[in-house]
Amino acid sequence: RKEVEQDPGPFNVPEGATVAFNCTYSNSASQSFFWYRQDCRKEPKLLMSVYSSGNEDGRFTAQLNRASQYISLLIRDSKLSDSATYLCVVANYNQGGKLIFGQGTELSVKP
Amino acid sequence: NAGVTQTPKFRILKIGQSMTLQCAQDMNHNYMYWYRQDPGMGLKLIYYSVGAGITDKGEVPNGYNVSRSTTEDFPLRLELAAPSQTSVYFCASRDSRQNIQYFGAGTRLSVL
Repeated sequence: RKEVEQDPGPFNVPEGATVAFNCTYSNSASQSFFWYRQDCRKEPKLLMSVYSSGNEDGRFTAQLNRASQYISLLIRDSKLSDSATYLCVVANYNQGGKLIFGQGTELSVKP
Repeated sequence: NAGVTQTPKFRILKIGQSMTLQCAQDMNHNYMYWYRQDPGMGLKLIYYSVGAGITDKGEVPNGYNVSRSTTEDFPLRLELAAPSQTSVYFCASRDSRQNIQYFGAGTRLSVL
């Protein structure tokens, strides 16, 4: 079983749609959780950290359920510029702070 | 605002050749990491370092070596390049007080 698993993609949605990405992780000792965004052939960039209380940044909402070991990302009113691959990332800082990446879910927003 | 700088951006190697991928950061971060990303996959950790003089293996270290003689630099060495090492390599750094890793722009390596 992979340590971090994401929805297989790609997701093809029209502009203005709401899209949700799901992610599960296997290591219950994981301490920190993130969503990264990666544009084609570019480096990953932090989109947002994920907190147990849930957090929102504009059109983006992230949720964490530690009991279920489940992370989600909701994008509302999607824009063409949201087209990218979204990476679910988990960290355990007792292991040198290394990040464990999911395989990514590709999102394509169409006009 | 240099951040994390990787060189070269692209490289083609023949099987059996060796090369060093360079990574430098100007943020005085203690932690540095090397990842590889194969097509359609997430990033996998090759090696990491928690400070100058200290390195440790990640998930996929075979075929690679690293050193960390200074805080700023964390080069990755391929001694005998193999086609399985064709990949995109990302270097990252992190401050010990933060949970955020900052990535370089990557090195695209092909071994033919």
